[in-house]
Amino acid sequence: EVQILESGGGLVQPGGSLRLSCVASGFSFSGFAMCWVRQAPGKGLEWVSGISGSGDNTNYAESVKGRFTISRDNSKNTMNLQMNSLRAEDTAIYYCAKALYGGLEYWGQGTLITVSS
Amino acid sequence: QSALTQPRSVSGSPGQSVTISCTGTSSDVGGYNYVSWYQHHPGKAPKLMIYDDIRRPSGVPDRFSGSKSGNTASLTISGLQAEDETDYYCCSYAGSYSWVFGGGTKLTVL
Repeated sequence: EVQILESGGGLVQPGGSLRLSCVASGFSFSGFAMCWVRQAPGKGLEWVSGISGSGDNTNYAESVKGRFTISRDNSKNTMNLQMNSLRAEDTAIYYCAKALYGGLEYWGQGTLITVSS
Repeated sequence: QSALTQPRSVSGSPGQSVTISCTGTSSDVGGYNYVSWYQHHPGKAPKLMIYDDIRRPSGVPDRFSGSKSGNTASLTISGLQAEDETDYYCCSYAGSYSWVFGGGTKLTVL
């Protein structure tokens, strides 16, 4: 059974940093791309960042480029999202998902980030 | 990285069919056979309903079907049921490990 679990959410002040983690099980982790998707309050889903199975290739939404860094440790079946220079508009539920080109197959339950003073 | 265009809302009566459109560009929807659709109940994880434009994951009822023509993809839900009422999102692969979502469509079952 595939399981995906995010952690690291919480309240952070504007300009602050936070590191999200995603632990996956039930599939060959290194064989699949992964990504982060977020949903701000009252808004739709927004793709944030993606990473290849090897970790050699990454990409970011323009809204987070230069502030967020995605990484993965295949030995620990873990993916991370380092978020710096956080803004109020980064407030959202952040989801981790197992990615196929054709669709995001499995999702975690999400972790809430609130950026506020 | 502009969001794909979906209608904000659609509605239908139980037993009827509804179709949700999703319009992108040749750089995403029209450039790959990788459109997917998600059902999202607030507070829960999104659920993959259609992938690779037209394929249905195991366990998804065959009332849900996907299609695509050019830069526009569509999700059709036939035999509407009350539990289908929620938000639906389209998504397309856009190359280089990037994806783009639609703005979401709220389905109301009358």
